[in-house]
Amino acid sequence: AQTVTQSQPEMSVQEAETVTLSCTYDTSESDYYLFWYKQPPSRQMILVIRQEAYKQQNATENRFSVNFQKAAKSFSLKISDSQLGDAAMYFCASASGGGADGLTFGKGTHLIIQP
Amino acid sequence: EAQVTQNPRYLITVTGKKLTVTCSQNMNHEYMSWYRQDPGLGLRQIYYSMNVEVTDKGDVPEGYKVSRKEKRNFPLILESPSPNQTSLYFCASSLSGGWFDEQYFGPGTRLTVT
Repeated sequence: AQTVTQSQPEMSVQEAETVTLSCTYDTSESDYYLFWYKQPPSRQMILVIRQEAYKQQNATENRFSVNFQKAAKSFSLKISDSQLGDAAMYFCASASGGGADGLTFGKGTHLIIQP
Repeated sequence: EAQVTQNPRYLITVTGKKLTVTCSQNMNHEYMSWYRQDPGLGLRQIYYSMNVEVTDKGDVPEGYKVSRKEKRNFPLILESPSPNQTSLYFCASSLSGGWFDEQYFGPGTRLTVT
């Protein structure tokens, strides 16, 4: 069984600053994918970034990047130059094995952007 | 436009009154699933389907049924809803269900059972 833990229920950052959201996971699988999803007030689930465990290079998507530490089972999300539109719930998730079990989600981190 | 649609978006019902939440995708995806989202718990999978007529339980299947008679549709059925099924429900689909596939989520259905 997989578990995903987000230890920060809420984070706050000043606009234009950088913020890092933490995520740790546990899996017995040798290969797996890790994801960050954004859920704005509209409730839509939006894929922000994903990382395959076998790839050592950290994934980057514009202002969003991850710090993937496989040995530590850590997968943090860094948001640079924070914008008001980044305010949302952020969920870390994992998928492994055959994938049929879908995604295992953390409990989420509520990100507040201070103007 | 590639999308996953859910209906209704909002539903208030009473205990014991059967209801169905529909889910449809237009991307010819083989894999579809249902999640529920509760405050402080994140999203948890209810049921999933690898293809037509193939369904299986997720982490929290009690009180729910699903069917997959057509590839594009995956309705969630609550035969006798109870207040503890008050939640936000998401349907999702992916190309094959592989762990590397991106899952596409519907807009969510807010269900309240009184």
